[in-house]
Amino acid sequence: KQEVTQIPAALSVPEGENLVLNCSFTDSAIYNLQWFRQDPGKGLTSLLLIQSSQREQTSGRLNASLDKSSGRSTLYIAASQPGDSATYLCAVRPNTNAGKSTFGDGTTLTVKP
Amino acid sequence: DAGVIQSPRHEVTEMGQEVTLRCKPISGHDYLFWYRQTMMRGLELLIYFNNNVPIDDSGMPEDRFSAKMPNASFSTLKIQPSEPRDSAVYFCASSLLAREAFFGQGTRLTVV
Repeated sequence: KQEVTQIPAALSVPEGENLVLNCSFTDSAIYNLQWFRQDPGKGLTSLLLIQSSQREQTSGRLNASLDKSSGRSTLYIAASQPGDSATYLCAVRPNTNAGKSTFGDGTTLTVKP
Repeated sequence: DAGVIQSPRHEVTEMGQEVTLRCKPISGHDYLFWYRQTMMRGLELLIYFNNNVPIDDSGMPEDRFSAKMPNASFSTLKIQPSEPRDSAVYFCASSLLAREAFFGQGTRLTVV
C-alpha cells in the first residue's frame, strides 16, 4: 500500500526566503506526482504535475523535482511572498489502478511579511 | 471552462436525513473522483469513475454511501441515512487520461 509523507507538517519563514517542501512515497511504481495548494476553506489548486519519466517541472517561482528511485519529490519556492501562505499537498498516482491517487497530509506554510 | 462545479457549497442536515452532493466535471474529462477531507483523516478517495463507470469504490466507508454517474457531465454522491460522523468537506475532481487532476471548491457537510 502506497504511503505518502510530507515533512514538516508546518513551516514558517520570513518573506523573501527560498524554501523547499518535501514529499516522500514508499512505492516507486508511480504514474505521476502532482503538487497542490489549498487555502483555508477552499478547494485544491493544481500547481505542478510531474510524469514518472520526468525529473522536474517549473512554473514561475515554483520548481518541482522527482526522484523515483529514492521515493522523493521536492517543491522549491523561490523568493517567498505572504500570498504563498497555504497548505501544500502532494499526490502520487500509481501505475496500476491509475485513478487511485494517494495524498500526503500536507505542509502548512506561513510566510511572514 | 468553468472548472469542476460542485453543489451545494454548504449543507446542514439532521441525522438520519438523506444528503445528495452534486458534481459537474470539466467537459471532456474522462475520470471523475470523489474525496472526503477531515482534520483527522486528511484527504481520502471514496470512489472514482472512468468513462462514467465506477472503477474503484473501496474507499466508500459504508453502504450508506452511494455514487452514480449517469452521464459524462454529472455525478452524485448520496448518503442515506446521514450521521454526525459524516461531517466533512467532500470534493469532486476530474482529469483527462489520468493526468492532471482538477478539484471543485467542495461541499462542506454538517450533520447535526
